[in-house]
Amino acid sequence: SQQGEEDPQALSIQEGENATMNCSYKTSINNLQWYRQNSGRGLVHLILIRSNEREKHSGRLRVTLDTSKKSSSLLITASRAADTASYFCATAKAINAGGTSYGKLTFGQGTILTVHP
Amino acid sequence: DAGVTQSPTHLIKTRGQQVTLRCSPKSGHDTVSWYQQALGQGPQFIFQYYEEEERQRGNFPDRFSGHQFPNYSSELNVNALLLGDSALYLCASSRQAYTDTQYFGPGTRLTVL
Repeated sequence: SQQGEEDPQALSIQEGENATMNCSYKTSINNLQWYRQNSGRGLVHLILIRSNEREKHSGRLRVTLDTSKKSSSLLITASRAADTASYFCATAKAINAGGTSYGKLTFGQGTILTVHP
Repeated sequence: DAGVTQSPTHLIKTRGQQVTLRCSPKSGHDTVSWYQQALGQGPQFIFQYYEEEERQRGNFPDRFSGHQFPNYSSELNVNALLLGDSALYLCASSRQAYTDTQYFGPGTRLTVL
């Protein structure tokens, strides 16, 4: 089952505008990650924010995390046509067994972003 | 430095057949996770292999099985294929099963007719 819900499901903007995508989740997490996927191919890691962090930046990307509300947002500033893709949030929760910590990612449904030239 | 590789790229099978998908992890990684992504959905966790053993499993039937080899590469096997198994199968690698960044391969597109 999906851990998170993403909002909006689809977003259409013009080049140069900012794009904001939101993600909500249900259980406690170790970190939250954002991934990008072009045309149904492999996922590309964008940014990871740990549960004790509130905001993180990477280039034109800004991610916030509010653990009290169990929500995160991804902001892409000054968007480009090349940013057109599906964006997924994924939560990571460690499971400790036999002295080793195992983790898996639980993905949301994704936001389809279209940036028009 | 090679990233995660998967083979084949595309595969067409008929109901009831069996399929094997392959994955080679990124250099330096020892953990492989498999995900199924249906059209229009987010990836769903199938299972994870570390030290040649299945360490975690998602909500998938026993028809889905896997293996990890001493060189850390992995196989995903699906028996008695159903139409609903049609999906993109993604392999991801990471270090020592940590919860940090996972690196994904390009995926194998499986179509079941």
